[in-house]
Amino acid sequence: DAGITQSPRHKVTETGTPVTLRCHQTENHRYMYWYRQDPGHGLRLIHYSYGVKDTDKGEVSDGYSVSRSKTEDFLLTLESATSSQTSVYFCAIRPASGYYQETQYFGPGTRLLVL
Amino acid sequence: AQKVTQAQTEISVVEKEDVTLDCVYETRDTTYYLFWYKQPPSGELVFLIRRNSFDEQNEISGRYSWNFQKSTSSFNFTITASQVVDSAVYFCALNSGNTPLVFGKGTRLSVIA
Repeated sequence: DAGITQSPRHKVTETGTPVTLRCHQTENHRYMYWYRQDPGHGLRLIHYSYGVKDTDKGEVSDGYSVSRSKTEDFLLTLESATSSQTSVYFCAIRPASGYYQETQYFGPGTRLLVL
Repeated sequence: AQKVTQAQTEISVVEKEDVTLDCVYETRDTTYYLFWYKQPPSGELVFLIRRNSFDEQNEISGRYSWNFQKSTSSFNFTITASQVVDSAVYFCALNSGNTPLVFGKGTRLSVIA
């Protein structure tokens, strides 16, 4: 258990509204990631963080922003939700040291439906 | 750029059959890591194995085995004597240590009783 929680686990929202998803970890891992999973696309990286206030864009970052003001929380915001952002969102962490330091461990996911 | 290809979109087998899931990767890095993850119907992503580019030894864990061949840029996953509980989507992934994972599109395995 990598100690990762995501909230909410399910959300239904309307087009044009802002939405924030939270990823919380309990083990002070430096690296955190947000992916989205869609049929036929596998998992695609949205944004990632390599430390507090240090973030970078991934493959599909348009329409998303992130913030990391403390080690344990990594927030993903959909500034104005669109139906194309209906997806399952996964947060992941990566240990910065140890035998499995290259391995990412995933949270349980958040199902988001944008109507 | 790194790329992972899982050419098999869906596979269906009868219980107790052996099945191999293919994974082909592309990278220009000399140091890289390959992974397999399992996503059962409940939806979570479960880490199965990590292999680094300097270790071409095959690995066996119970009914699971992995065949890493740098010469063909492949990292295939075999399930021996498949069971219904093996039904899931399996993802192959790649990174170069500090870089984020790049995933294949996944292979959906259905094991029929």
